[in-house]
Amino acid sequence: AQKVTQAQTEISVVEKEDVTLDCVYETRDTTYYLFWYKQPPSGELVFLIRRNSFDEQNEISGRYSWNFQKSTSSFNFTITASQVVDSAVYFCALSEPSNTGKLIFGQGTTLQVKP
Amino acid sequence: DSGVTQTPKHLITATGQRVTLRCSPRSGDLSVYWYQQSLDQGLQFLIQYYNGEERAKGNILERFSAQQFPDLHSELNLSSLELGDSALYFCASSVSHKGELFFGEGSRLTVL
Repeated sequence: AQKVTQAQTEISVVEKEDVTLDCVYETRDTTYYLFWYKQPPSGELVFLIRRNSFDEQNEISGRYSWNFQKSTSSFNFTITASQVVDSAVYFCALSEPSNTGKLIFGQGTTLQVKP
Repeated sequence: DSGVTQTPKHLITATGQRVTLRCSPRSGDLSVYWYQQSLDQGLQFLIQYYNGEERAKGNILERFSAQQFPDLHSELNLSSLELGDSALYFCASSVSHKGELFFGEGSRLTVL
């Protein structure tokens, strides 16, 4: 069965610190997609990244970076120089390639960035 | 703004009642997904419709049902409501089964 585990329930950092959110997944599929979503206090789900299991290159987008390691079934998310606006719940998710809208979400990590 | 519209944004009702949540997908998107976010279960997939037909089913209770109409909007019907049904219900849409998913802002249901 597919499963996503975000072991960190809550993380608190001070502004400008770097923070890494962990995500470990389980799947029997040889191909799959991995995602990160952000849910700010306002409640909407904001798409951050989608990664195909064939693409193990790390990705950087501004202060955000993602480290995908197939060998350890992990897809970790790092925020560099965190800001108060980064405070949110972050979800990691997994899908099969035949239906990328059918997501298996982790339990989420609540990130609090203090000024 | 994702382009996905959900109504109502907030709904308060009593146990045993029935409610309908509505979703208008982005223009051109044929696929609609429903998700439930609750404190107990987290974010979980309920059901998907594609161009009017049920495409995939997740952990949707028998008391819940959904449909997608010819104009592609979708409705999620929740009946015989229980306290545990209180949750944030998200609708999302995509062009196809493999397209990028766009979430609406959610409908927050409170069952008293």
